Amino acid sequence: ETGVTQTPRHLVMGMTNKKSLKCEQHLGHNAMYWYKQSAKKPLELMFVYSLEERVENNSVPSRFSPECPNSSHLFLHLHTLQPEDSALYLCASSQESSREQYFGPGTRLTVT
Amino acid sequence: GQQLNQSPQSMFIQEGEDVSMNCTSSSIFNTWLWYKQDPGEGPVLLIALYKAGELTSNGRLTAQFGITRKDSFLNISASIPSDVGIYFCAGHRLLQGAQKLVFGQGTRLTINP
Repeated sequence: ETGVTQTPRHLVMGMTNKKSLKCEQHLGHNAMYWYKQSAKKPLELMFVYSLEERVENNSVPSRFSPECPNSSHLFLHLHTLQPEDSALYLCASSQESSREQYFGPGTRLTVT
Repeated sequence: GQQLNQSPQSMFIQEGEDVSMNCTSSSIFNTWLWYKQDPGEGPVLLIALYKAGELTSNGRLTAQFGITRKDSFLNISASIPSDVGIYFCAGHRLLQGAQKLVFGQGTRLTINP
């Protein structure tokens, strides 16, 4: 595997479910990011992890809970989501000192 | 919060035509990045610009970092069908120790063969 991978690619969940999104990067980077992409809105930064420490939580509701167990893996734990949380969730990675971020293919999330 | 104004929002062109799109901001950025996103995929980095006034090419793509550091443009010459997609600009700032990108709304490019 190369680049940034995300699983699952598609997820449908009810509002009472608990699920997790997974991201893995094979680029040797040490910073990872979660973005939300909704229709007709710019990409919104949700969380930033640099050197495995969270350095940014962009006023994201607590029903989204990130986890970064090591520099190659990033998770987004989801629980009691709302229909308006339906979106494409993108993971990205970079070197901590670099401005260039590389994205995974995203997880298309639908909350019913 | 910071916003980037990207225009046009959509373009419908004939194959072979040149394309131009731009981003403007009320804030200064120290880096501009241009990404392309295909349906069902994540954005792919096309060009990164690091210095005001810098002009950089990547094949048929050319991008410039505005002298005021508040704008950037992307040109595509002699468009081909695989250029179809959504193009995003992104401005970079270092904020509270984190590398932060602020994205434009995107320009959707459609090409008629």
